[in-house]
Amino acid sequence: DTAVSQTPKYLVTQMGNDKSIKCEQNLGHDTMYWYKQDSKKFLKIMFSYNNKELIINETVPNRFSPKSPDKAHLNLHINSLELGDSAVYFCASSHNRVGTDTQYFGPGTRLTVL
Amino acid sequence: AQSVTQLDSQVPVFEEAPVELRCNYSSSVSVYLFWYVQYPNQGLQLLLKYLSGSTLVKGINGFEAEFNKSQTSFHLRKPSVHISDTAEYFCAVSSNRDDKIIFGKGTRLHILP
Repeated sequence: DTAVSQTPKYLVTQMGNDKSIKCEQNLGHDTMYWYKQDSKKFLKIMFSYNNKELIINETVPNRFSPKSPDKAHLNLHINSLELGDSAVYFCASSHNRVGTDTQYFGPGTRLTVL
Repeated sequence: AQSVTQLDSQVPVFEEAPVELRCNYSSSVSVYLFWYVQYPNQGLQLLLKYLSGSTLVKGINGFEAEFNKSQTSFHLRKPSVHISDTAEYFCAVSSNRDDKIIFGKGTRLHILP
């Protein structure tokens, strides 16, 4: 009965390919996020959606395109993958968009670009 | 702009010994402060958070943290650690003007047998 789930858990691909990561939450939350965690464990927000509307876009290359078909889903599509995209990508959700809210994280997707 | 600094990248401590993980923040407005824990190969989960009120906040798994406004700190403590506390610990800051929280670089807690 996973609250925030991501697929796939591992993704190994060649440079230049296009790939997608899917995220779903069953908590009834209005806000969802994508984070990137690099090899030094530094966690940086990439995007945030509230009720399917983009509210945060943190100077991420436009090769990254989030899509929120509904409140419960936030997918991340990456075009023309580069070596530097290798990282663990976490999806998260919160009840709403305010700074007091607890964020609930998915298990992560480890992306390796060869 | 807000920021958070975790001074120690890793902290080794013997099992059953006390531990303190340090966190300092910088902000021009009132802040909300969080500690999240990331167990190996898992996502982050909330340990505790300070929003207002009592400056001593108790969280899960026996952890607590104290908000000190004058020292702009929010250090995390546990009186006696267990091997299962081995994890990465992240301090984070937000405010009522933000739609996001800013994470520190994390502190790896390494429990020695």
